[in-house]
Amino acid sequence: EDQVTQSPEALRLQEGESSSLNCSYTVSGLRGLFWYRQDPGKGPEFLFTLYSAGEEKEKERLKATLTKKESFLHITAPKPEDSATYLCAVQAGGGGSNYKLTFGKGTLLTVNP
Amino acid sequence: KAGVTQTPRYLIKTRGQQVTLSCSPISGHRSVSWYQQTPGQGLQFLFEYFSETQRNKGNFPGRFSGRQFSNSRSEMNVSTLELGDSALYLCASSLGSGTLETYGYTFGSGTRLTVV
Repeated sequence: EDQVTQSPEALRLQEGESSSLNCSYTVSGLRGLFWYRQDPGKGPEFLFTLYSAGEEKEKERLKATLTKKESFLHITAPKPEDSATYLCAVQAGGGGSNYKLTFGKGTLLTVNP
Repeated sequence: KAGVTQTPRYLIKTRGQQVTLSCSPISGHRSVSWYQQTPGQGLQFLFEYFSETQRNKGNFPGRFSGRQFSNSRSEMNVSTLELGDSALYLCASSLGSGTLETYGYTFGSGTRLTVV
């Protein structure tokens, strides 16, 4: 069974204080690893998809990296508007597993001004 | 371009009743997935439809069902509601076929269901 574990559960940063969120996964044949951001009362907003170990993607202050066992979401010089829950999900390859995402429980990030 | 539309946004139902939620995917997307989100369990997969066919189903009781219409719009139904069904129900759409890059999922804002 596919599993995704995110750490820490909650993270509080000062504005400008860089840090990383971790996503560890076990999956039978990774098809893709997804990062989403979710604000209270809203649906998840897509950030990145990573497909193979060694891949990196960047968007503004966010950078996602992928190894064979985990992914990191690096946040550089965060601002208060980066406060949200960050969700990691995996999609396995093969059969019906192609068509679903398995999510971690998320990291609640709070950035104080 | 219009995003994923879910209706209604909020619902309050009584135990034992049934409920139907609706999802209209992004134009051109043929795959619709449903997820249940609760504080304790996070996001859990319910089912996925592509071209009116269910391709995958999560570990939920038979009280949870869904369908997809020829225009790709989807509905999910929960019968005999229980207090534990209170959750945010999210719909996600994608192209559903083709290259890896087309498997990106776009989520709607969800339907908040409260069972009393």
